[in-house]
Amino acid sequence: DAKTTQPNSMESNEEEPVHLPCNHSTISGTDYIHWYRQLPSQGPEYVIHGLTSNVNNRMASLAIAEDRKSSTLILHRATLRDAAVYYCILRDVENYGGSQGNLIFGKGTKLSVKP
Amino acid sequence: EPEVTQTPSHQVTQMGQEVILRCVPISNHLYFYWYRQILGQKVEFLVSFYNNEISEKSEIFDDQFSVERPDGSNFTLKIRSTKLEDSAMYFCASSIRRGGYTFGSGTRLTVV
Repeated sequence: DAKTTQPNSMESNEEEPVHLPCNHSTISGTDYIHWYRQLPSQGPEYVIHGLTSNVNNRMASLAIAEDRKSSTLILHRATLRDAAVYYCILRDVENYGGSQGNLIFGKGTKLSVKP
Repeated sequence: EPEVTQTPSHQVTQMGQEVILRCVPISNHLYFYWYRQILGQKVEFLVSFYNNEISEKSEIFDDQFSVERPDGSNFTLKIRSTKLEDSAMYFCASSIRRGGYTFGSGTRLTVV
């Protein structure tokens, strides 16, 4: 019962922006939108998270639709090191202790970056 | 930048033996987690831990598994009697309530 939908794979060219989409049409008011990535042979790595407003950090930007039913992770200039599987996950912080309060990983989007 | 530290990085054990995987979460984090990833498969939630007790556990986390925070810094996962299918990467993570999770680099467990 996946709560988010992401494309299986995407390709990008090095030094170009990348927009990774995520649909979450059944999002609840207390669901935070989290993004993680997993580089080959490494553990998951936190990228960014947000609730309603767009968010920026040194790694990426998160654009959240006004109705919160979709979001987009933006990598402003892709590098070869950004090739990874990217996961969009909803986390309900008000129901911590229930299954919705934990990060449950789906299959994510495998991003390939071409030189 | 603060890190979650896991030891050992690789453990080989015989089937039926007990193993303890160790983790040192970030010092001001209060929520702790274990995940596993079988080779080529997705990351699976095992258990979450807060205030010295299990908050949530998955179907994978059966009676063979246990977690403990024996002191103020360590967080351990024990598998009592390992099976071949327990071979996987095990990731520890920690967080604050509304924050992102910080994952460790994992322990590769190989059961032979």
